Formats: sequence, structure tokens, C-alpha cells
Amino acid sequence: GAVVSQHPSWVICKSGTSVKIECRSLDFQATTMFWYRQFPKQSLMLMATSNEGSKATYEQGVEKDKFLINHASLTLSTLTVTSAHPEDSSFYICSASGTLYEQYFGPGTRLTVT
Amino acid sequence: GNSVTQMEGPVTLSEEAFLTINCTYTATGYPSLFWYVQYPGEGLQLLLKATKADDKGSNKGFEATYRKETTSFHLEKGSVQVSDSAVYFCALSVTNAGKSTFGDGTTLTVKP
Repeated sequence: GAVVSQHPSWVICKSGTSVKIECRSLDFQATTMFWYRQFPKQSLMLMATSNEGSKATYEQGVEKDKFLINHASLTLSTLTVTSAHPEDSSFYICSASGTLYEQYFGPGTRLTVT
Repeated sequence: GNSVTQMEGPVTLSEEAFLTINCTYTATGYPSLFWYVQYPGEGLQLLLKATKADDKGSNKGFEATYRKETTSFHLEKGSVQVSDSAVYFCALSVTNAGKSTFGDGTTLTVKP
């Protein structure tokens, strides 16, 4: 089946620094990738839709200048959390769109900002 | 707009008990329906799916039938195991771009 990887799986950073999270589709090309945020014991909140070669589409309430998304190739999308603060600590999950309307999810990245 | 409503959890069952997690939806168009499972500390995995009315998705002993008349996609398993303990998400998608709408998730704990 389709495999999506994320790197890193967990990261701790200091307040004010930036963190980059990579999402890769390993065995298929994904023209569309999605970035989600998940708080403990809560559902996934879609942050943005990332399309290869074009600007990402952000959901309402998501700061595009804070959460920079780049989809440079058909197998790689990156999420950069700029000037991170403790309230940005969360579990970030990416997914890549496959066929038949389904999504393939990465294993997630746990971000802790101290 | 589109929405998914799941049965509230948490759900706690004994091993070998019967499981039902209710899911209803509202959608414009003709959605595809999914159940995803999330084990602790991991991302989501597709458990099963159905793409049109009356389809039954099944995997690992889990089943769900796409009921258009009741706009439902309830998840069932005849005999749960401790290893089934996880969070289950019902979701729908109405476009081939893959963007999905998720329910709030239902936490299942199975005790030996």
C-alpha cells in the first residue's frame, strides 16, 4: 500500500525558533497533501491543503505566515512552524491524496516548544 | 456543509464483546465514507471504506455498511480484542482531491 513518512517523528525546540517538518510519499506521487494538527484526545484539525507547484490553501483561522507550507515536488511537502511558542506544541500529521478519494497518513510529528 | 457525527466515547468493552460505533453524516453530493484507526502515538491508518450506497467495507473483522437512507456508516466488530484499543475516526470525502471531513473520534478500550 501507499506509504507516507514524516520527519522528524518528534522534536523539542526553544520558544522563538523555527522548526521544519517533512512529509514524503514514498511509493507514489501526490499532487495534493494535507497538514493536520491534533490536540490530545481531540480530532484532527485541517490546517492547509498543499498542492505541488502552487501556494497552499489555508483553513480559516490558520496563520499562513506562521505555518509555512511548501510543496516543491510530487513526493515532498514541508511545514515550517516559524517563531514557535509553547501553544504551538501539538501533534502534526500530514496526509497525501491517493486514488478513490482516500488519504494516506504519515505517522505524525510530536512538537514540543519549551 | 459536510459534517460527521460520531458516537461519543470513551467506550470500554471486555475482550470478545460486540462493538458498535455509530457514525452519521451530512454531505452535499455523493460522499465516499471511511473509518480510520489511530493507535497511541501514531498517525491514522485506513481501516475500511465504502464508495457508494449499500457498499460494505470490511477489514480485520471490522465491518461498516454505507446506508444512504439513514446517512449512516456504523462500525461493527463481532468480537473485540485488547489489540483493538485505539481511537476510531469516521470520515467522508466528496471530491477526488482527497480532502476529508472527520468526526471527533471515539476512544475504544478493550479489557482482558
